[in-house]
Amino acid sequence: AQSVSQHNHHVILSEAASLELGCNYSYGGTVNLFWYVQYPGQHLQLLLKYFSGDPLVKGIKGFEAEFIKSKFSFNLRKPSVQWSDTAEYFCAVNADSSASKIIFGSGTRLSIRP
Amino acid sequence: ETGVTQTPRHLVMGMTNKKSLKCEQHLGHNAMYWYKQSAKKPLELMFVYNFKEQTENNSVPSRFSPECPNSSHLFLHLHTLQPEDSALYLCASSQTSGSNPWDTQYFGPGTRLTVL
Repeated sequence: AQSVSQHNHHVILSEAASLELGCNYSYGGTVNLFWYVQYPGQHLQLLLKYFSGDPLVKGIKGFEAEFIKSKFSFNLRKPSVQWSDTAEYFCAVNADSSASKIIFGSGTRLSIRP
Repeated sequence: ETGVTQTPRHLVMGMTNKKSLKCEQHLGHNAMYWYKQSAKKPLELMFVYNFKEQTENNSVPSRFSPECPNSSHLFLHLHTLQPEDSALYLCASSQTSGSNPWDTQYFGPGTRLTVL
């Protein structure tokens, strides 16, 4: 069965530290990949997405993610985090053979110490 | 953010009650979704509606019954629920096309459901 793994359940960083959140999926075909973010008290919203083309995707608020097909990974990165990045981050995958399915990871809670 | 609204925001119900959750999207999208978000579990897709037609039922028990009367409104009818159904129920919408059936989803704030 297809799955999405986010191995870090809770990450705590200080401001200005660099961030990398892991996302791995299990599916060998073409995939669409997403990172969603949920700030405290706010709706889940899209951070960035990859459908095709350049595997390095830039999103909002200085975030980027790199699709590495050989590693089945789509890790999220930010060179210098801010206190306002405190949120829960969800990776999601849609495999093209399951056009009506999307699978989310269990989420990573990011806490930034001011 | 008023793109996708959900009512009620909180609901407490007994196992014998019947209630409905409502979702409305003001974005002109053609697809709507119901998700279940439980503590410490991945977000689970429940139902997908494209152009008002249900295209996915992700093995959801029949005590959850969706209804999509038009592309702007989505309901989730609940009856004889179990305590383990307590969760945050999220609605989302998107604009789908043949080449990109899955594009950015816009989520509502959710309904926090507690089943006693």
